[in-house]
Parts: sequence; structure tokens; C-alpha cells
Amino acid sequence: DTAVSQTPKYLVTQMGNDKSIKCEQNLGHDTMYWYKQDSKKFLKIMFSYNNKELIINETVPNRFSPKSPDKAHLNLHINSLELGDSAVYFCASSQDRKRSTDTQYFGPGTRLTVL
Amino acid sequence: GENVEQHPSTLSVQEGDSAVIKCTYSDSASNYFPWYKQELGKRPQLIIDIRSNVGEKKDQRIAVTLNKTAKHFSLHITETQPEDSAVYFCAASNQAGTALIFGKGTTLSVSS
Repeated sequence: DTAVSQTPKYLVTQMGNDKSIKCEQNLGHDTMYWYKQDSKKFLKIMFSYNNKELIINETVPNRFSPKSPDKAHLNLHINSLELGDSAVYFCASSQDRKRSTDTQYFGPGTRLTVL
Repeated sequence: GENVEQHPSTLSVQEGDSAVIKCTYSDSASNYFPWYKQELGKRPQLIIDIRSNVGEKKDQRIAVTLNKTAKHFSLHITETQPEDSAVYFCAASNQAGTALIFGKGTTLSVSS
């Protein structure tokens, strides 16, 4: 009965590789997000999707490309990984972005380590 | 855009004491202010939130106050317990209501 799930939980890879992180929510929510949490624990919004439509794309390098095949899934693909991409990536979802007071529920996180 | 400042960055208290964490925000259009607790290696979890039409909200040992005029809000934890030890994040909705802008977190340590 996991609400927001992510795979994999850990990802260790070499610089220059391409990798993907998957996120799924079974809450019936319309909006999904990707956040990056750096080594100092700072949580920063990367992307927001509402019903498969991109809403927010913060100043994220274009090596990061989100893909939403349906409103229950939001995957994150990263090309040409760099050392600075090492972080914990959290997926989240909320009911409806138009209601800015909707609670966001976070997934368990994916710890990405780039060597 | 919205900017959220959070203080203090670390807070150590004795079990049973109260803990207060304060945040300020810059965008007067923000109308939703959640607080998240993140234990080591775990996901952020919502512990309490407040909306702009309310000045105070309480849930057992946790309370949040909001001053929209001054653009600040605070988390109050009473009768702290060792299991309250975690990183606490405040957040504010951005103007478009499309994302949460987080403070930099407060590491709370409760010693018994």
C-alpha cells in the first residue's frame, strides 16, 4: 500500500553515464514533483508535472529530462552524469496544483552517487 | 521568487523542554506553510501545516503560528522526547502555487 514509491533506492555509477530513476504514486494525485536534496540537506524543487504536463522546470541543466507516461508516473532521466549530480532525489505528489494548499507526499528517495 | 529563511540551523534541548523553530518568507502571495520532519535516511514527512486564513494550529505537542503581516511562521514542540530528534524543514508555497520552497532545515537534538 505504498503511496509514493521510487526505484532504485541506491544508484552508484561512473561519470558520463546515463541513468534513470522511476517514480510511481497510487494516490490518484494529479501533480508530481522531483526534488534534489544535496549533501547539506537542502531540498530544492527541480520539476513539477500536472496530469502529464510540465509545469515547473527550475534552473536544472538540460541533462535532466523528466518523462511522465501517465499521471501516476514521473521518471527522471539524467544524461552524462557529473560528480555534482550526487545527491538524494525525492519524488513527491499532491492532489491538484491549482489548489496550492495541497499536501505533498514524498517518496523514499533515491541516493545517487557519481564516481 | 519566494525565499524562505529558517533559524536556527541546529537546536539542542533536554528531554521535556520546548523547542521553537522560526521561518520567514518573502512572497506575500504565499498561502500555505507546511512543516516536514526528516529522520536520518528517511523521506520528509508532513507533521503539521497552516494556511493563510489561520493564525495558529495545534496538534498534540506540536503547534504552528503564522504572522502574515510580518511574513513569518514558527513551529513549537512542547515536552520534547528523544524521538523528536530529526531535521525539521519549513516551506512556503510559491506564488503560482505550483511548488514548495523549503528552508534549509533545523537539526533538532533531544537528549535524555
